[in-house]
Amino acid sequence: GAVVSQHPSRVICKSGTSVKIECRSLDFQATTMFWYRQFPKQSLMLMATSNEGSKATYEQGVEKDKFLINHASLTLSTLTVTSAHPEDSSFYICSARVSAASYEQYFGPGTRLTVT
Amino acid sequence: AQSVAQPEDQVNVAEGNPLTVKCTYSVSGNPYLFWYVQYPNRGLQFLLKYITGDNLVKGSYGFEAEFNKSQTSFHLKKPSALVSDSALYFCAVRLDTGRRALTFGSGTRLQVQP
Repeated sequence: GAVVSQHPSRVICKSGTSVKIECRSLDFQATTMFWYRQFPKQSLMLMATSNEGSKATYEQGVEKDKFLINHASLTLSTLTVTSAHPEDSSFYICSARVSAASYEQYFGPGTRLTVT
Repeated sequence: AQSVAQPEDQVNVAEGNPLTVKCTYSVSGNPYLFWYVQYPNRGLQFLLKYITGDNLVKGSYGFEAEFNKSQTSFHLKKPSALVSDSALYFCAVRLDTGRRALTFGSGTRLQVQP
């Protein structure tokens, strides 16, 4: 149980285009989902926290107009990188929690984004 | 603010020897502490957590960690390392209030030599 999937696993896009990454909780309902970004050989940096049905809370320094997050249902959150640039190339990882008070946080397998 | 420090970028150990991966934390409040492992191009896998109770926590794959409040540490240990343990290990902390988002350490690469 407690599986989180991400789609796609890898995506290559051209500079200036937008790309959407999906994060799904497959066997549980996630009221809270998190989006992280990981640069090569570095740690995970929290980008934003999203609660189902409400606007995402972005971390300081993360452009909300560039990284659009939607959490429309209890099993799906999407991250859209708009007008992507090569510096947006990174490994994006989502995670999900059953509720805000839950101890367990389940991570997706990640999405490798390459912007050419 | 909460933070996690993993002072070692890499730890090398011979197969069969005990291993320790260090982690110290800083929070204003009661910490919830976690260890995760990451294999190349994969997401994070949960190893163990400390919430409350016994300071020695046992987790997956024979790993354990000891919560030391006075030293604000939560070092990961294993009595006998395996080559398959080679991976990137992350320590993380969160509070039991507020956003409850995880803050991760910088990661420690564990290399187990045969």
